Amino acid sequence: DTAVSQTPKYLVTQMGNDKSIKCEQNLGHDTMYWYKQDSKKFLKIMFSYNNKELIINETVPNRFSPKSPDKAHLNLHINSLELGDSAVYFCASSQDLGFQETQYFGPGTRLLVL
Amino acid sequence: AQSVTQLGSHVSVSEGALVLLRCNYSSSVPPYLFWYVQYPNQGLQLLLKYTSAATLVKGINGFEAEFKKSETSFHLTKPSAHMSDAAEYFCAVTDSGGGADGLTFGKGTHLIIQP
Repeated sequence: DTAVSQTPKYLVTQMGNDKSIKCEQNLGHDTMYWYKQDSKKFLKIMFSYNNKELIINETVPNRFSPKSPDKAHLNLHINSLELGDSAVYFCASSQDLGFQETQYFGPGTRLLVL
Repeated sequence: AQSVTQLGSHVSVSEGALVLLRCNYSSSVPPYLFWYVQYPNQGLQLLLKYTSAATLVKGINGFEAEFKKSETSFHLTKPSAHMSDAAEYFCAVTDSGGGADGLTFGKGTHLIIQP
């Protein structure tokens, strides 16, 4: 069983469209995250959710909105897609929000905006 | 705010040779340090982590790292490189100032193994 799964794996879309990426974890963890990896492979955290509450929101445009229907899922909605949104988006989860917690990553969603 | 610096965006070693990937951290409070590996077109996998229990940390796949406070370093080593070790390696940090900030990653080191 895949611990952290994401769908779709690849996403190609036009500028201005709205898209969603789904993430599910079957580890029973309480905290989930979204990271963005740019073309230079630099990883930066976007959001984290703990017990269905948004904990952090870095300097991410409000076109990006995380939605968590339950603690096993954290979906990422992106409105009015821009060329600069092209990247690999990783979902991750950890048992809790503690700073020493190991984060488990999904396989990534490769988004290309044309 | 914490940060990590990985020296060398690319490191090339021969199969069987020592692997040394460098990571230096900057944190105003005791850090928690992680090494993750990313194989091509895959997600990140934890290799090892330092949480103050022991300065020498052993991880998976024969990797280990030593926390040196005096040098603010957490370098990753493996005695003998295998072709399967070719991947991107990321050093990351959180600190006791608040795990809500998630992991702060270095820019990654691409490890190339030459036959």
